[in-house]
Amino acid sequence: QSVLTQPPSVSAAPGQKVTISCSGSSSSIGINFVSWYQQLPGTAPRLLIYDNNKRPSGIPDRFSGSKSGTSATLGITGLQTGDEADYYCGTWDSGLSAGVFGGGTKLTVL
Amino acid sequence: EVQLLESGGGLVQPGGSRRLSCAASGFTFISYAMTWVRQAPGKGLEWVSAISGGGGISTYYAESVRGRFTISRDNSDNILYLQMNSLRAEDTAIYYCAKKGSNWAYDFWGQGILVTVSS
Repeated sequence: QSVLTQPPSVSAAPGQKVTISCSGSSSSIGINFVSWYQQLPGTAPRLLIYDNNKRPSGIPDRFSGSKSGTSATLGITGLQTGDEADYYCGTWDSGLSAGVFGGGTKLTVL
Repeated sequence: EVQLLESGGGLVQPGGSRRLSCAASGFTFISYAMTWVRQAPGKGLEWVSAISGGGGISTYYAESVRGRFTISRDNSDNILYLQMNSLRAEDTAIYYCAKKGSNWAYDFWGQGILVTVSS
């Protein structure tokens, strides 16, 4: 049981937009920054979004992040088949004094 | 170029011990907090432990490993460690070391190392 809740799967057609939600609590997302990671099959995770909505260099602006209250959202526009991957949200939980991740969302580009 | 290279994985018997290492290069290692994250076969990411940077020695653990795992670092040789004791079958996973970036985001990851706990 993950501290952060994500939908197990989402799907959309190439070129379309998709959003992935991440729900936490007042001690996690409510007071800490959220990051998002992409994990392609058989590879290590890669940072996509940090500080709720910032993109590291090299991450295209098709990827965006937002946060409101105790929830966060990852948006991906102009979907490509290469975007098929597992996506994870993460943050710090100040109540647990530990890092936490969502259970992951598998994106299928139909 | 930031590089993180894990080593020390393999097959361990239940109740046994193992020490993982993560050799870091391409950044000022002492200045950054470091983290271990694991992923059981077919499962999601699980945060395991973290250690502060900047010369501090604060450590943090997931409830599932507290009292059994110990994180440490050698700032002279730029190596992060994870000492794992009393290993259980449920500790079987790929273990990743990761560098902490801004506000507990992990901006660089190693390729991961597999630890299998089985008799």
